[in-house]
Amino acid sequence: DTGVSQDPRHKITKRGQNVTFRCDPISEHNRLYWYRQTLGQGPEFLTYFQNEAQLEKSRLLSDRFSAERPKGSFSTLEIQRTEQGDSAMYLCASSLGGQVFYGYTFGSGTRLTVV
Amino acid sequence: TQLLEQSPQFLSIQEGENLTVYCNSSSVFSSLQWYRQEPGEGPVLLVTVVTGGEVKKLKRLTFQFGDARKDSSLHITAAQPGDTGLYLCAGLTMNYGGATNKLIFGTGTLLAVQP
Repeated sequence: DTGVSQDPRHKITKRGQNVTFRCDPISEHNRLYWYRQTLGQGPEFLTYFQNEAQLEKSRLLSDRFSAERPKGSFSTLEIQRTEQGDSAMYLCASSLGGQVFYGYTFGSGTRLTVV
Repeated sequence: TQLLEQSPQFLSIQEGENLTVYCNSSSVFSSLQWYRQEPGEGPVLLVTVVTGGEVKKLKRLTFQFGDARKDSSLHITAAQPGDTGLYLCAGLTMNYGGATNKLIFGTGTLLAVQP
C-alpha cells in the first residue's frame, strides 16, 4: 500500500468556479477525514466518514461544500462557487476507527488557490 | 468548543539548543498525539500519549501528558536543522458510545533550527 493519495496536488481556479478533489485512503482503513489548513496553522476539521456513512460535518462546511465516499473507498470533496477565502491546503487522512486509536495517516494535501 | 492552544507560535533557535513546546486546553482528551509537518506535506505522527502523567521518549524528543489529560509538552534536546517543521498537538475526542471520534488539532508551533 502506498499510503493516502490526494489528487491534484495543486489547483488554481477562478473565483466562482467549482472544484473537486479526490482522496484514496489506505485500503484497510474504514475511517476517512477531511481537514483544511491555512499557512502556519493547525488543520481544521471539516468532515469524516466511517465506511460510506458521513458521520459528522463541521459548521465550517458551508452549503457550498459537499463530500462523498460512495463505496466506502475513495472520497471526493467538492467546492461550488469558490471564493478567495477557500484558498487553503485541503488534507485527507484515514485511520482504523473503533475503541483503539492507531493514529491518522495523512495524504500530502491539495493546495487550492482561488484567484 | 474544544480548543488546543500551543505556545510558542513560532520559535527560531540555533543548532544544539534545547526547547519546549506547550499544548494546553480546558477540555479533557482521551489521548493526545503529536505530529510534525514539513512544507507541502501532510502531518506525520510522532507519538501518542494516553495515560495522565505519561512520559514518552523518542530519541531527543520527550513528550509528556498532563495529569489531568488537558495539556501536554514536547521537549527537544540538542535541536538539529532536521527538526525544523510545524509541530502540532492533537486531542482525540470520543463519542457517546465510547468509540474514538476525531482529532482536534492545536494551533501549531513553527520551529526553525539554524545551523
